[in-house]
Order: sequence, then C-alpha cells, then structure tokens
Amino acid sequence: DTEVTQTPKHLVMGMTNKKSLKCEQHMGHRAMYWYKQKAKKPPELMFVYSYEKLSINESVPSRFSPECPNSSLLNLHLHALQPEDSALYLCASSQADSGNTIYFGEGSWLTVV
Amino acid sequence: AQTVTQSQPEMSVQEAETVTLSCTYDTSESDYYLFWYKQPPSRQMILVIRQEAYKQQNATENRFSVNFQKAAKSFSLKISDSQLGDAAMYFCAYRSAFGNSGAGSYQLTFGKGTKLSVIP
Repeated sequence: DTEVTQTPKHLVMGMTNKKSLKCEQHMGHRAMYWYKQKAKKPPELMFVYSYEKLSINESVPSRFSPECPNSSLLNLHLHALQPEDSALYLCASSQADSGNTIYFGEGSWLTVV
Repeated sequence: AQTVTQSQPEMSVQEAETVTLSCTYDTSESDYYLFWYKQPPSRQMILVIRQEAYKQQNATENRFSVNFQKAAKSFSLKISDSQLGDAAMYFCAYRSAFGNSGAGSYQLTFGKGTKLSVIP
C-alpha cells in the first residue's frame, strides 16, 4: 500500500483550463518531488521541495507551478498546458537526509485536449 | 553526470523459473545508492530492493536479490520462482549519497527500463 496519495487519478483538461494536482504523505518526510512520465519512458524529475522550500527546478516551463503549503502536502498547478504535456505525473517523498528511499504515489494521469 | 543503462528492453520468463535483469551505471562517486523499482500496468512505481554502495553484501528481499559488483559498476536483479504478478516494467535507478543542492535534495537517475513478461 502506498503512503503517498495523489488526486485526482485521472484528469482531462483543455488548453485554456487551470487545474491542480495534489499529493499528500503522512510519513513525516521532508522532501517531496514531482516527476513526469511519458509512455514507455522512465520518469523525469520536475521539481524537488526540501523542508518546504523549492530546491530543484529542472527547467520546467512556467505553465507548471509547484507549491508546498506544508510538510505533508505538495501541489502542481497547471495552466495553459499543451497536448504534449499529457503524461503520468508522479509525486514522491523521502526523508531529507542521506540514505533514504524515495517512495512514489500512484500517479495522476493527465490528458490535455 | 551519472548514467544508468538497462540493455534489455524486454525479457520473458516462465512462471516459477528464475530471471536476471541487467543494469550498469557510470559514476565517479564512491558513496551512492542503487534501487530497482517495479512499475506494473497500474503505473505505480513500487520499490523492489535497494543497495547501499558501501555494503559489500548483496541485498535480498524474499524472491528478489541483487548481484552488486561495485568495481564493474553492475547491479543486476534476480527474480526467483517468478509469479504472474511479477510482470511489469522494471527500472534500475541511481541516487547519489549527497544532495544536489541544499539539504534533502536528492535526484534519482533512471535507466530506460526492462519490460518483464511472465508466461504461465
């Protein structure tokens, strides 16, 4: 059973819509991550939050806007997306110190029409 | 930069048999962690096993074990007594022991994956 919960599981949005993906963990982890995964490809890192501060931004377009309201929650705000942004978006978390495993949620399937 | 290579895009195994998935990596670091993740059709990334580079002993988790050869930079996964539920995409991943920028900022580098089919 995953302890990283993502909502919604599936999302269809138009290119002019604004929507958000949500992620929650109750493992006391202080690092949280957003990954993007296209079909038949490995996940690609988008953002890392450490102690609620954005620490890695892998040159992601500004139409993706992350937010970490507290140590348990991570959001990804979506605006003016393109069809090529359709993908599985995976949230993950880990302890923010050396030697700890990164645990993934079940992902949110996003389709941009 | 670290790279992870999985040279087998697809593998198949008969139920109850043993299969080995290959992974090699390239790094100049001496302290790091290696992982195998499983991704079934449901698409959730599930941790299968992890290995600390400083440990000489190979990690084992029930039917899953690794052959970690640090000098050769090789990290293969052996699945014994394969079951239908083992069918999935398997990703090998590397993680530095040190954060990329700031405390707690760790980054996983994934291989391209190996799709495992289990034949009844």
